[in-house]
Amino acid sequence: DAKTTQPNSMESNEEEPVHLPCNHSTISGTDYIHWYRQLPSQGPEYVIHGLTSNVNNRMASLAIAEDRKSSTLILHRATLRDAAVYYCILRDIRGSSNTGKLIFGQGTTLQVKP
Amino acid sequence: DTAVSQTPKYLVTQMGNDKSIKCEQNLGHDTMYWYKQDSKKFLKIMFSYNNKELIINETVPNRFSPKSPDKAHLNLHINSLELGDSAVYFCASSQGTSGSVEQYFGPGTRLTVT
Repeated sequence: DAKTTQPNSMESNEEEPVHLPCNHSTISGTDYIHWYRQLPSQGPEYVIHGLTSNVNNRMASLAIAEDRKSSTLILHRATLRDAAVYYCILRDIRGSSNTGKLIFGQGTTLQVKP
Repeated sequence: DTAVSQTPKYLVTQMGNDKSIKCEQNLGHDTMYWYKQDSKKFLKIMFSYNNKELIINETVPNRFSPKSPDKAHLNLHINSLELGDSAVYFCASSQGTSGSVEQYFGPGTRLTVT
């Protein structure tokens, strides 16, 4: 799976939008862009994923650059509960040679200030 | 209903002991995983089972032996525990191994070896 680069940490104010960037310049045409997050003392939690088009769900939006070399996870109104480590992960449609494993990087630690 | 559950949540034991961690998922998924999160919060895949068959063993010491009695359960048995085994162990599941599907994680088991 191709590598991703994320800022180590970001800060946001409560009730403001948050844009979490991810660079993946070596992405291949069959790589899905996944986002997971890990709240303190909890297991990782799926957030959203996409291939080429922007995606929205109840948790967040995913904006994918036209060349797919970068993407942005958008939390529309940050709450204190959104403070977590956010991981951007590329997953080949074949699931890493059909193993399905997720390869986690260091992620972005998001702090939300009241 | 908890989708992916693990027992126990905490496990404190002495070096040299043998212990097991259990995982169950009620999502009807056919693929289950064990991940390890070390003290530096780095998350790494250990094992993956698809339809009760082992498909990943990421150079884990053979003191670790996963067992999948059925598609809903994946247990992890650890022999001769060492200090370095102290970590948080997460179980996860997914429907298939394709890169287009999401994984669901359990709450984790914090293992402390003294």
